[in-house]
Amino acid sequence: QVQLQESGPGLVKPSQTLSLTCTVSGGSISSGDYYWSWIRQPPGKGLEWIGYIYYSGSTYYNPSLKSRVTISVDTSKNQFSLKLSSVTAADTAVYYCAREPFDIWGQGTMVTVSS
Amino acid sequence: SYVLTQPPSVSVAPGQTARITCGGNNIGSKSVHWYQQKPGQAPVLVVYDDSDRPSGIPERFSGSNSGNTATLTISRVEAGDEADYYCQVWDSSSDHRVVFGGGTKLTVL
Repeated sequence: QVQLQESGPGLVKPSQTLSLTCTVSGGSISSGDYYWSWIRQPPGKGLEWIGYIYYSGSTYYNPSLKSRVTISVDTSKNQFSLKLSSVTAADTAVYYCAREPFDIWGQGTMVTVSS
Repeated sequence: SYVLTQPPSVSVAPGQTARITCGGNNIGSKSVHWYQQKPGQAPVLVVYDDSDRPSGIPERFSGSNSGNTATLTISRVEAGDEADYYCQVWDSSSDHRVVFGGGTKLTVL
């Protein structure tokens, strides 16, 4: 069955860019049946949708993060990626990738923003 | 932007019925999805499209949606149901396409 796995640095310095990749296995990101999302959860807090991408490259972002977020897709590698620029401590969170309608999630990866 | 309101906590004794609400303006016109999240784990979809259950989710989990309130009902609550529960909708009326509720901590007494 389809599985998702996040990867990327666990520590990012303030003002730098957070970069994460989600690798999809057991299915093709190009199937066209789903949107592929990034969602985050600050420690002890709720879920926050960041944005999603379709295999064609169409994207939708949370307006509160839109100016700092870029989500891209690499169909040849069956991966999609997140870039979040100008990070601050408020961006410290567990970052999940998920297949929309969110029936499949990655295990999540903790990213800490600290100098 | 669209807002979903959940009670921060709900407590229930084992074997009883837990009801977790999710309030939103005319939420009855939207499809509501519910997720269970246990500590240190990713969320799990337990109800989708208001009242459907994914494969593998016990029949004890059910959902309803009408007017301004959607409800997740857990019957015959077990200790293993203790978790955070989140409701979620897709809001096509704004750029904030995906909206989550703030979450409800279910405590099994």
